[in-house]
Amino acid sequence: DTAVSQTPKYLVTQMGNDKSIKCEQNLGHDTMYWYKQDSKKFLKIMFSYNNKELIINETVPNRFSPKSPDKAHLNLHINSLELGDSAVYFCASSQGRQPFSSQYFGPGTRLTVL
Amino acid sequence: GNSVTQMEGPVTLSEEAFLTINCTYTATGYPSLFWYVQYPGEGLQLLLKATKADDKGSNKGFEATYRKETTSFHLEKGSVQVSDSAVYFCALSDGGSGNTGKLIFGQGTTLQVKP
Repeated sequence: DTAVSQTPKYLVTQMGNDKSIKCEQNLGHDTMYWYKQDSKKFLKIMFSYNNKELIINETVPNRFSPKSPDKAHLNLHINSLELGDSAVYFCASSQGRQPFSSQYFGPGTRLTVL
Repeated sequence: GNSVTQMEGPVTLSEEAFLTINCTYTATGYPSLFWYVQYPGEGLQLLLKATKADDKGSNKGFEATYRKETTSFHLEKGSVQVSDSAVYFCALSDGGSGNTGKLIFGQGTTLQVKP
């Protein structure tokens, strides 16, 4: 039973295309996140939703648009892809958003923009 | 702003050696501290956490103690195995105004254990 799943695992696309990454969690959590891991493995928060409400929106280009249709899903849509968008994108979830809430991560989606 | 600093890697050890990966943080308030591990080609797994000063988190032989006086959360293991080879991330969650739950990560430390 996968707790946090992401699709696709790999995504190779051309510059200028639009693509989506899907995330689902079956942990019953109410908070979900998107993180970006660059080529040096540095991880940075992008977005967070709590009960379908946007909580965190870091300084991310507005080409990136998260969508949370329900508490169990958080999708990431990226318009007009650029070379610099190549990275591994991780979805995570937690129950609550207090400092002590543990976050559980998905396996990641490796996006390569050519 | 809040930040986490980890020791530079890679760290290369022989099997059964003692491991320490240093982590220090800067934060206002009372953050919670975490260690995550990323095995090759996989996502991050929560290894251990501590939510207040002097707490010790432990799991799978790994330990870390939340030291407020030195703002540190160093990861230790008494005897490493080849299977411990991975990237280790220290992170903090400070809540802040509005309790966003945002995790701030260190840069990661790669551990390679040789037989």
